[in-house]
Amino acid sequence: EVQLLESGGGLVQPGGSLRLSCAASGFTFSSYAMSWVRQAPGKGLEWVSSITGSGGGTYYADSVKGRFTISRDNSKNTLYLQMNSLRAEDTAVYFCALPYGSGGYLDYWGQGTLVTVSS
Amino acid sequence: EIVLTQSPATLSLSPGERATLSCRASQSVSSSLAWYQQKPGQAPRLLIYDASNRATGIPARFSGSGSGTDFTLTISSLEPEDFAVYYCQQRSSWPRTFGQGTKVEIK
Repeated sequence: EVQLLESGGGLVQPGGSLRLSCAASGFTFSSYAMSWVRQAPGKGLEWVSSITGSGGGTYYADSVKGRFTISRDNSKNTLYLQMNSLRAEDTAVYFCALPYGSGGYLDYWGQGTLVTVSS
Repeated sequence: EIVLTQSPATLSLSPGERATLSCRASQSVSSSLAWYQQKPGQAPRLLIYDASNRATGIPARFSGSGSGTDFTLTISSLEPEDFAVYYCQQRSSWPRTFGQGTKVEIK
């Protein structure tokens, strides 16, 4: 059974940093791209970043480019999102998601972890 | 960046009625479009991929159509559990983008 479990969210001051983790199980982690998607309180979904299975390719939304870094440790079956220079508008639930069996679309999602950027 | 515009923002319908949701892309995405359903406090669930293919376990009352810039999600007869927010998403190009969502509410 595919499982994705995010952690690392919390309260951080503007300008601060946070690293999110997503522990994956139930599939061959290194064979699949992974993504982060966020949702601000009461708002819609926003794609944040994706990474290829090998980690050699990374993609970012313009809103986070230069501030966030996606990475993975295939030996630990874990996906990361390093978030620096955080802003109030980064406040959101962050989901990790997996395009597993449906044409590269996000068919498995974690439960999300809340990041709050506030002084 | 490809902008996806969903309409209407809110759809008020009764159980048993037909729901028709629209998603329009600012440029062609071919058939590289998906639909997701999200209920409060839950992660999104993939319903339709590549414009018209139902994801695993999705009931037949959900169908998708369209290509290029205009797409439709149809729920043939609304069940109580279908009242939720629906998002379209394109994977034709980077950055990936979502529409702003359509809320299907009980009338």
